[in-house]
Amino acid sequence: SYVLTQPPSVSVAPGKTARITCGENNIGSKSVNWYRQKPGQAPVLVVYDDTDRPSGIPERFSGSNSGDTATLTISRVEDGDEADYYCQVWDSSSDHQVFGGGTKLTVL
Amino acid sequence: QVTLKESGPVLVKPTETLTLTCTVSGFSLSSTRMTVSWLRQPPGKALEWLAHIFSNDEESYSTSLKSRLTISKDTSKSQVVLTLTNVDPVDTATYFCARIRPGSKGYYFDYWGQGTRVTVSS
Repeated sequence: SYVLTQPPSVSVAPGKTARITCGENNIGSKSVNWYRQKPGQAPVLVVYDDTDRPSGIPERFSGSNSGDTATLTISRVEDGDEADYYCQVWDSSSDHQVFGGGTKLTVL
Repeated sequence: QVTLKESGPVLVKPTETLTLTCTVSGFSLSSTRMTVSWLRQPPGKALEWLAHIFSNDEESYSTSLKSRLTISKDTSKSQVVLTLTNVDPVDTATYFCARIRPGSKGYYFDYWGQGTRVTVSS
């Protein structure tokens, strides 16, 4: 089965750039989606189809996907970006939705 | 405006059946390519996809829970129902429903309900 690997935690200073990775063999062949989840809240879609942003998501959020790694990049990090971030793909062989284990982003 | 709202019991006893309802608005469950999914998140843990049902009633289930899950929908009531049989304390979680949209090479969840917390305990 498909397993997405994320680092448990990433720390970054305000104003700097945070990069959160999501790894799996040949993930570049799939579309990767990213969600932000703050404590006690439902997840929010921040990037879909590797690089697209839903309406209302700042341009500071961007995504890339190639080879075995997909990356969510958050530029000019703000205190409000502190949250858990999850990557997700659709495994076509099983028709299952698969999530990574999540990454806790801490703003120092 | 698209919204989804989960409802169901807060507390369920072990071995009982859990029934959760997702009531949607702002879109029709019978519209082409409108799919609703159920997911859950145990306390302090990651998101876990459980099941989804397409507009054509096609269903898909998590392999690990397939024998215990049933998803169905009532288009006239704009509701998607999930049942989980023979619950155990490990099923304690916040349960979410979410709308799925097709992407270029897969699907993504564009709208989520607020979630409903379910505790399994005697």
